[in-house]
Parts: sequence; C-alpha cells; structure tokens
Amino acid sequence: SSELTQDPAVSVALKQTVRITCQGDSLRSYYASWYQQKPGQAPVLVIYGKDNRPSGIPDRFSGSTSGDTASLTITGAQAEDEADYYCNSRDSSGYHVVFGGGTKLTVL
Amino acid sequence: QVQLQESGPGLVKPSQTLSLTCTVSGGSISSGSYYWSWIRQPAGKGLEWIGRIYTSGSTNYNPSLKSRVTISVDTSKNQFSLKLSSVTAADTAVYYCARGGDYGDYEYFQHWGQGTLVTVSS
Repeated sequence: SSELTQDPAVSVALKQTVRITCQGDSLRSYYASWYQQKPGQAPVLVIYGKDNRPSGIPDRFSGSTSGDTASLTITGAQAEDEADYYCNSRDSSGYHVVFGGGTKLTVL
Repeated sequence: QVQLQESGPGLVKPSQTLSLTCTVSGGSISSGSYYWSWIRQPAGKGLEWIGRIYTSGSTNYNPSLKSRVTISVDTSKNQFSLKLSSVTAADTAVYYCARGGDYGDYEYFQHWGQGTLVTVSS
C-alpha cells in the first residue's frame, strides 16, 4: 500500500472547480508534486513544490497543502482535463520516493 | 530539451533478469543537480517508484524491491540502466525512466521516457 492516499475517482461538471487530494504523514514535511496521465501516455508534471507550474501548464491548475494533505485544484475544468492524476513526494523516512494510488478524474 | 528513451527486451521469462536501458539526449547525464529514476506501472494500476541513481553514483531503491534491483549509470554513453532479478508475472508492467530533481522540501519528475512494456511470461 502507498504512503500517500488518494481518492480513486472524482467527477466534476464542465467549467466547474474540482479538488483532488493526497494524504500522507510525509506531507507535513515535504511538498507533493502532481502528474496528469492520459491513456497510453507517460505522466506529465502539472504542479511541483509549493505551487509551481511548469511551462505550458494552464493556470487553472494550482496546488496547496494543509497539514498532512496536499491538494490539486482545477478551476474551470475542461474536457481535456479528464485523466488520471497522481501525487508524489517522499516517504516517511525521507529517503525514498512514493506515489499516491491515483485519482481518475471524470469531466461531466 | 532533455529527452529520455527506454530500450530493452519486451519479453522476459520467469526467474530471469529484466534489463532495461534509458538513453538521455539533449543534455549530459552528468550535469545539473538531478537524479535518474525508474518507475513502473502495471496495466490498469498506479505508478510505482523503483529506484534512482544520482550522478555521483549514489542509489536509493524502493524497499519492497531493493533485494532484486540494481540501477547503474554509464556517463560515457549518457545512459542509465535497470536490472531486476528473479522476475515473476507480477513484474509485468510499463517501465518508465525519468529525470528527477531534489530541491530539499520537494522533488519532482519533469522529464519522462515514453515507457516500454515488459511482459514476464514463459
């Protein structure tokens, strides 16, 4: 089992706001990074650090952390945002990388 | 722009050793404060970190795989490699190589290979 816990599935109406969460003790010390993965494709980094977006990622994607929970927020979800989303950070030892189990986002 | 490409056999027999290579282009594998990782994904399942190697040669492995994993780097060829021994059907997955960055209180993978499917079957 993963040290980072994500809800398996979340849905959002088109153009509405959705929050995808990632919970784990290590998030009290380390920020999560977030990845979007569409079928048959490699993951794409969308958020890293406190709330940083790589070049080319729309500003409707944002990140935040509170206590042991990191959140990825999509403000005004688009049809093309339908994908699996994974968080990653370090494990509780701080020496290893872990991924959350992933959240399947459906845009209605 | 850094690019990564996995290569290796797509079919491995049970109990044998899985060997994959990741070729890095668009930059030197030795430059910058990066590390190089292997990550896998069984069909229909989530991502699993296998391990990483820093340009210094230092490695960290997923504790659940540590006894079977070796990651090495060949700076002269701008490549790094994965060996996973004693494979079973549970090791069947898409294997990705990725470049990671460690920035103290966060780290992330910005560059990924396209992934290569490895099937363990007799």
